[in-house]
Amino acid sequence: DTGVSQDPRHKITKRGQNVTFRCDPISEHNRLYWYRQTLGQGPEFLTYFQNEAQLEKSRLLSDRFSAERPKGSFSTLEIQRTEQGDSAMYLCASSLATPGVPNQPQHFGDGTRLSIL
Amino acid sequence: GQQVMQIPQYQHVQEGEDFTTYCNSSTTLSNIQWYKQRPGGHPVFLIQLVKSGEVKKQKRLTFQFGEAKKNSSLHITATQTTDVGTYFCAGRSSNTGKLIFGQGTTLQVKP
Repeated sequence: DTGVSQDPRHKITKRGQNVTFRCDPISEHNRLYWYRQTLGQGPEFLTYFQNEAQLEKSRLLSDRFSAERPKGSFSTLEIQRTEQGDSAMYLCASSLATPGVPNQPQHFGDGTRLSIL
Repeated sequence: GQQVMQIPQYQHVQEGEDFTTYCNSSTTLSNIQWYKQRPGGHPVFLIQLVKSGEVKKQKRLTFQFGEAKKNSSLHITATQTTDVGTYFCAGRSSNTGKLIFGQGTTLQVKP
């Protein structure tokens, strides 16, 4: 069990640029979640997948944000036309949902810290 | 939409003192989870509570889920410096996978 892996750890970019982050979940986990966390706040839900299906997306998420999990394993989160307000830590988490026990603990990665200049 | 609120935001205690953080939801929860995040780290799962009125203990940590399933608390007895970090509650209002996190309570322990 290598844990949840996120890449890159840090990303600095200019306003208006597009960025893409990658998350590799724990291999046997079928659910994958994306969160955004700013200083002094709890993780804010963005979206989650069960296998390759995107089951829910936050209404707070603008059209500039898109996430994919094409083969039900790793996931990418893309932010287009970045804005200063997008600066945050982007956390990925995974869990194993089974029919009898859908709400298992979430295991978090170390996150990608995005800084917009 | 669903909101989860935690108080206090910060707590400074002397080592050996007790600590409690409280979590309140605007809606009835199907379950609640607690996580701990050390400075510079990521949230780490502590426990999940599912039943109304449930109480669970992990060594010096006691977790409670309210009878109405709208509130929860975490109590640490005789804090140690290793307890330093931010404690988050996170709730679900249904069997959706979506977790709503509180703002967290940051605990500082003076040796």
